[in-house]
Amino acid sequence: SQQGEEDPQALSIQEGENATMNCSYKTSINNLQWYRQNSGRGLVHLILIRSNEREKHSGRLRVTLDTSKKSSSLLITASRAADTASYFCAATNQAGTALIFGKGTTLSVSS
Amino acid sequence: DAGVIQSPRHEVTEMGQEVTLRCKPISGHDYLFWYRQTMMRGLELLIYFNNNVPIDDSGMPEDRFSAKMPNASFSTLKIQPSEPRDSAVYFCASSLAAASSGYTFGSGTRLTVV
Repeated sequence: SQQGEEDPQALSIQEGENATMNCSYKTSINNLQWYRQNSGRGLVHLILIRSNEREKHSGRLRVTLDTSKKSSSLLITASRAADTASYFCAATNQAGTALIFGKGTTLSVSS
Repeated sequence: DAGVIQSPRHEVTEMGQEVTLRCKPISGHDYLFWYRQTMMRGLELLIYFNNNVPIDDSGMPEDRFSAKMPNASFSTLKIQPSEPRDSAVYFCASSLAAASSGYTFGSGTRLTVV
C-alpha cells in the first residue's frame, strides 16, 4: 500500500501562477522526499525534508512538512511550461529502509 | 557519472517467454532498488539490495519474478514465464543510503507482454 498519497491527482494552471500539491502519509517517517517525472522518463529527486524540519526551499520550490498532520506540501512558484510533469511524494516504509511513493499529481502548465 | 543505466529501453515479448531487465547503478551507491510503475497501481517497490545482498523482496509479486545482484555494478530482474499483466515500466534506482538520501532513477524499461 502507498505510504504517500498526493492531492490533487491533476492540476492545470497558467504560466506565472503558483502550483501547490499536497501529500499525506500514514506512518512515522524519518524524512519525506519529492520527485518529478517527465513523460516517458525516470523520476528525478527534487528535495528532501527531514522529520525535524518544517520548511525547506530550493529555487522556486518550497516544501513544508507537518508531522502532526502527517502531511506535506510542494509549492512551485512562478510556474513555467517546462514545469509540466508528474510530481510524487515519497515517504519511508515502516522499517525506514526504503521509499514508498504515492501515485503522483500531474501538473500541466500552459503558456 | 552517466547515472543509472537500464537496458533495454523497450521490450516486447510474447506471453510465456523469459524476460531479463538489466541495471547498472551509480558507482559508490550501496543501495539498489527495483520499482514497477503502472497507471493502476502507481510505483511499487519490488525488491532492494544493500551491498549486493537482497534485503527485502516482499514486493515481488510472484515466484515468476527474481532479481540478482552479482556485483556492485550490475543487477538483473527476471520474469519467467512472462504474462500480459506484467506489462509495465520497470525502474531501477540507486542511492547512498536506504531512505535518508535521494534516489537516482534510471530511464526505465517499458515491458509489453502480448
